[in-house]
Amino acid sequence: ETGVTQTPRHLVMGMTNKKSLKCEQHLGHNAMYWYKQSAKKPLELMFVYSLEERVENNSVPSRFSPECPNSSHLFLHLHTLQPEDSALYLCASSQEGSTGELFFGEGSRLTVL
Amino acid sequence: GQNIDQPTEMTATEGAIVQINCTYQTSGFNGLFWYQQHAGEAPTFLSYNVLDGLEEKGRFSSFLSRSKGYSYLLLKELQMKDSASYLCAVRGYDYKLSFGAGTTVTVRA
Repeated sequence: ETGVTQTPRHLVMGMTNKKSLKCEQHLGHNAMYWYKQSAKKPLELMFVYSLEERVENNSVPSRFSPECPNSSHLFLHLHTLQPEDSALYLCASSQEGSTGELFFGEGSRLTVL
Repeated sequence: GQNIDQPTEMTATEGAIVQINCTYQTSGFNGLFWYQQHAGEAPTFLSYNVLDGLEEKGRFSSFLSRSKGYSYLLLKELQMKDSASYLCAVRGYDYKLSFGAGTTVTVRA
Protein backbone atom coordinates (compact mmCIF):
# COMPACT_ATOMS: atom_id res chain seq x y z
CA GLU A 1 0.00 0.00 0.00
CA THR A 2 1.74 3.17 -1.20
CA GLY A 3 -0.91 5.69 -0.15
CA VAL A 4 -1.56 6.51 -3.80
CA THR A 5 -4.14 4.38 -5.59
CA GLN A 6 -4.60 4.24 -9.36
CA THR A 7 -7.41 2.66 -11.36
CA PRO A 8 -7.65 0.87 -13.66
CA ARG A 9 -4.34 -1.01 -13.43
CA HIS A 10 -4.65 -2.14 -17.04
CA LEU A 11 -6.56 -0.55 -19.92
CA VAL A 12 -6.84 -1.50 -23.59
CA MET A 13 -8.54 0.98 -25.87
CA GLY A 14 -9.04 1.69 -29.53
CA MET A 15 -7.95 4.95 -31.10
CA THR A 16 -11.50 6.29 -31.19
CA ASN A 17 -12.40 5.49 -27.58
CA LYS A 18 -12.71 7.86 -24.64
CA LYS A 19 -11.51 6.62 -21.27
CA SER A 20 -10.24 8.06 -18.00
CA LEU A 21 -7.52 7.14 -15.53
CA LYS A 22 -8.16 7.85 -11.86
CA CYS A 23 -5.75 8.57 -9.02
CA GLU A 24 -6.47 9.04 -5.33
CA GLN A 25 -3.97 9.92 -2.63
CA HIS A 26 -4.53 9.29 1.08
CA LEU A 27 -1.43 11.12 2.34
CA GLY A 28 -2.78 14.64 2.81
CA HIS A 29 -0.40 16.01 0.19
CA ASN A 30 -0.95 19.28 -1.65
CA ALA A 31 0.54 18.47 -5.05
CA MET A 32 -0.27 15.74 -7.58
CA TYR A 33 1.44 14.68 -10.81
CA TRP A 34 0.97 12.60 -13.94
CA TYR A 35 4.08 10.92 -15.39
CA LYS A 36 4.42 8.77 -18.51
CA GLN A 37 6.84 5.81 -18.34
CA SER A 38 7.87 4.13 -21.61
CA ALA A 39 10.29 1.22 -21.87
CA LYS A 40 13.96 2.25 -21.52
CA LYS A 41 13.06 5.96 -21.37
CA PRO A 42 13.12 8.43 -18.48
CA LEU A 43 9.92 9.21 -16.68
CA GLU A 44 8.26 12.10 -18.50
CA LEU A 45 6.44 14.70 -16.46
CA MET A 46 3.06 15.46 -18.05
CA PHE A 47 1.06 17.58 -15.62
CA VAL A 48 1.44 19.03 -12.14
CA TYR A 49 -1.32 20.30 -9.88
CA SER A 50 -0.46 22.30 -6.78
CA LEU A 51 -3.30 23.22 -4.44
CA GLU A 52 -5.70 22.03 -7.17
CA GLU A 53 -4.32 24.50 -9.70
CA ARG A 54 -2.50 23.25 -12.78
CA VAL A 55 1.03 24.62 -12.64
CA GLU A 56 2.73 22.52 -15.30
CA ASN A 57 1.74 21.28 -18.72
CA ASN A 58 4.78 19.85 -20.46
CA SER A 59 3.74 20.25 -24.09
CA VAL A 60 1.39 17.34 -23.79
CA PRO A 61 -0.95 16.73 -26.76
CA SER A 62 -4.52 17.86 -26.24
CA ARG A 63 -5.75 14.27 -26.50
CA PHE A 64 -4.65 14.04 -22.85
CA SER A 65 -6.79 16.18 -20.54
CA PRO A 66 -6.17 16.33 -16.77
CA GLU A 67 -8.68 17.16 -14.08
CA CYS A 68 -8.11 17.78 -10.38
CA PRO A 69 -11.43 18.25 -8.58
CA ASN A 70 -9.81 18.36 -5.11
CA SER A 71 -6.44 17.80 -3.47
CA SER A 72 -6.98 14.05 -3.13
CA HIS A 73 -8.16 13.16 -6.63
CA LEU A 74 -6.61 13.44 -10.06
CA PHE A 75 -7.92 12.23 -13.40
CA LEU A 76 -6.41 11.85 -16.85
CA HIS A 77 -9.02 11.88 -19.59
CA LEU A 78 -7.99 10.11 -22.79
CA HIS A 79 -9.47 10.78 -26.23
CA THR A 80 -8.48 9.61 -29.72
CA LEU A 81 -5.11 8.29 -28.60
CA GLN A 82 -2.38 6.95 -30.86
CA PRO A 83 -0.54 3.60 -30.57
CA GLU A 84 2.61 5.47 -29.47
CA ASP A 85 0.70 6.60 -26.38
CA SER A 86 0.84 3.03 -25.08
CA ALA A 87 2.83 3.25 -21.84
CA LEU A 88 2.63 3.07 -18.05
CA TYR A 89 0.99 6.18 -16.63
CA LEU A 90 2.10 6.94 -13.10
CA CYS A 91 0.38 9.24 -10.66
CA ALA A 92 2.36 10.74 -7.79
CA SER A 93 1.81 13.12 -4.91
CA SER A 94 4.07 15.22 -2.71
CA GLN A 95 3.94 17.80 0.03
CA GLU A 96 5.37 21.06 -1.25
CA GLY A 97 7.57 22.80 1.30
CA SER A 98 9.10 19.53 2.55
CA THR A 99 11.92 17.59 0.85
CA GLY A 100 9.45 17.15 -1.96
CA GLU A 101 9.86 13.41 -2.40
CA LEU A 102 7.27 11.88 -4.67
CA PHE A 103 4.99 9.06 -3.60
CA PHE A 104 3.92 7.04 -6.63
CA GLY A 105 0.93 4.91 -7.41
CA GLU A 106 1.47 1.54 -9.09
CA GLY A 107 0.48 2.91 -12.46
CA SER A 108 -2.07 2.28 -15.17
CA ARG A 109 -0.75 0.19 -18.05
CA LEU A 110 -2.35 1.59 -21.21
CA THR A 111 -2.40 -0.19 -24.56
CA VAL A 112 -3.78 1.65 -27.57
CA LEU A 113 -4.71 -0.58 -30.50
CA GLY B 1 17.21 21.62 -19.83
CA GLN B 2 17.98 18.48 -17.87
CA ASN B 3 20.38 15.69 -18.81
CA ILE B 4 20.70 12.74 -16.46
CA ASP B 5 22.82 9.69 -17.33
CA GLN B 6 23.02 6.32 -15.64
CA PRO B 7 24.02 2.87 -16.90
CA THR B 8 21.27 0.79 -18.47
CA GLU B 9 22.02 -2.54 -16.79
CA MET B 10 24.22 -4.05 -14.11
CA THR B 11 24.58 -7.61 -12.86
CA ALA B 12 26.04 -8.72 -9.55
CA THR B 13 26.18 -11.76 -7.30
CA GLU B 14 24.19 -12.24 -4.11
CA GLY B 15 26.17 -10.88 -1.14
CA ALA B 16 28.29 -8.58 -3.29
CA ILE B 17 28.36 -4.78 -3.59
CA VAL B 18 27.14 -2.78 -6.58
CA GLN B 19 27.61 0.92 -7.27
CA ILE B 20 25.23 2.72 -9.64
CA ASN B 21 26.58 6.00 -10.97
CA CYS B 22 24.52 8.98 -12.03
CA THR B 23 25.81 12.12 -13.73
CA TYR B 24 23.67 15.14 -14.34
CA GLN B 25 23.61 18.51 -16.06
CA THR B 26 20.59 20.49 -14.96
CA SER B 27 19.18 24.00 -14.81
CA GLY B 28 19.77 24.66 -11.13
CA PHE B 29 20.05 22.07 -8.37
CA ASN B 30 17.73 21.55 -5.42
CA GLY B 31 18.41 17.95 -4.46
CA LEU B 32 18.98 14.47 -5.89
CA PHE B 33 16.77 11.46 -5.27
CA TRP B 34 17.13 7.72 -5.80
CA TYR B 35 14.08 5.52 -6.30
CA GLN B 36 13.72 1.74 -6.57
CA GLN B 37 11.16 0.22 -8.91
CA HIS B 38 10.39 -3.50 -9.02
CA ALA B 39 8.80 -4.78 -12.22
CA GLY B 40 5.09 -3.97 -12.29
CA GLU B 41 5.25 -1.90 -9.12
CA ALA B 42 5.40 1.76 -8.11
CA PRO B 43 8.76 3.51 -7.74
CA THR B 44 9.59 3.85 -4.04
CA PHE B 45 11.82 6.46 -2.43
CA LEU B 46 15.28 5.32 -1.32
CA SER B 47 17.38 8.39 -0.58
CA TYR B 48 17.76 12.15 -0.84
CA ASN B 49 20.97 14.19 -1.06
CA VAL B 50 21.13 17.96 -1.17
CA LEU B 51 24.60 18.54 0.34
CA ASP B 52 27.88 16.93 -0.70
CA GLY B 53 28.77 13.71 1.02
CA LEU B 54 27.49 10.29 1.89
CA GLU B 55 24.06 9.41 3.28
CA GLU B 56 23.78 5.91 4.73
CA LYS B 57 20.58 3.97 5.25
CA GLY B 58 21.18 0.38 6.24
CA ARG B 59 22.51 -1.57 3.25
CA PHE B 60 21.99 1.40 0.91
CA SER B 61 24.15 4.52 0.73
CA SER B 62 24.02 7.51 -1.60
CA PHE B 63 26.81 9.96 -2.38
CA LEU B 64 26.67 13.41 -3.95
CA SER B 65 29.27 15.77 -5.42
CA ARG B 66 27.56 18.92 -6.64
CA SER B 67 30.71 20.38 -8.19
CA LYS B 68 31.12 17.26 -10.35
CA GLY B 69 27.42 16.78 -11.09
CA TYR B 70 27.78 13.23 -9.83
CA SER B 71 26.03 10.83 -7.51
CA TYR B 72 26.16 7.14 -6.81
CA LEU B 73 23.93 4.63 -5.07
CA LEU B 74 25.78 1.86 -3.26
CA LEU B 75 23.99 -1.39 -2.54
CA LYS B 76 25.79 -3.67 -0.06
CA GLU B 77 25.22 -7.31 0.87
CA LEU B 78 23.06 -7.77 -2.19
CA GLN B 79 19.94 -9.87 -1.86
CA MET B 80 17.79 -11.40 -4.58
CA LYS B 81 14.99 -8.97 -3.70
CA ASP B 82 17.29 -6.08 -4.70
CA SER B 83 16.80 -7.03 -8.37
CA ALA B 84 14.96 -3.95 -9.63
CA SER B 85 15.32 -0.76 -11.61
CA TYR B 86 17.01 2.15 -9.81
CA LEU B 87 16.06 5.66 -10.88
CA CYS B 88 18.19 8.75 -10.36
CA ALA B 89 16.21 12.01 -10.25
CA VAL B 90 17.32 15.62 -9.91
CA ARG B 91 15.22 18.54 -8.72
CA GLY B 92 16.01 21.68 -10.68
CA TYR B 93 15.47 25.38 -10.07
CA ASP B 94 11.74 24.95 -10.68
CA TYR B 95 11.58 22.30 -7.92
CA LYS B 96 10.30 19.69 -10.38
CA LEU B 97 12.00 16.28 -10.62
CA SER B 98 13.69 15.09 -13.81
CA PHE B 99 14.50 11.39 -14.03
CA GLY B 100 17.21 9.30 -15.66
CA ALA B 101 16.16 6.27 -17.71
CA GLY B 102 16.94 3.91 -14.83
CA THR B 103 19.48 1.16 -14.17
CA THR B 104 18.22 -2.42 -14.12
CA VAL B 105 20.12 -4.41 -11.51
CA THR B 106 20.01 -8.20 -11.70
CA VAL B 107 21.20 -10.13 -8.67
CA ARG B 108 22.32 -13.71 -9.36
CA ALA B 109 22.70 -16.52 -6.87
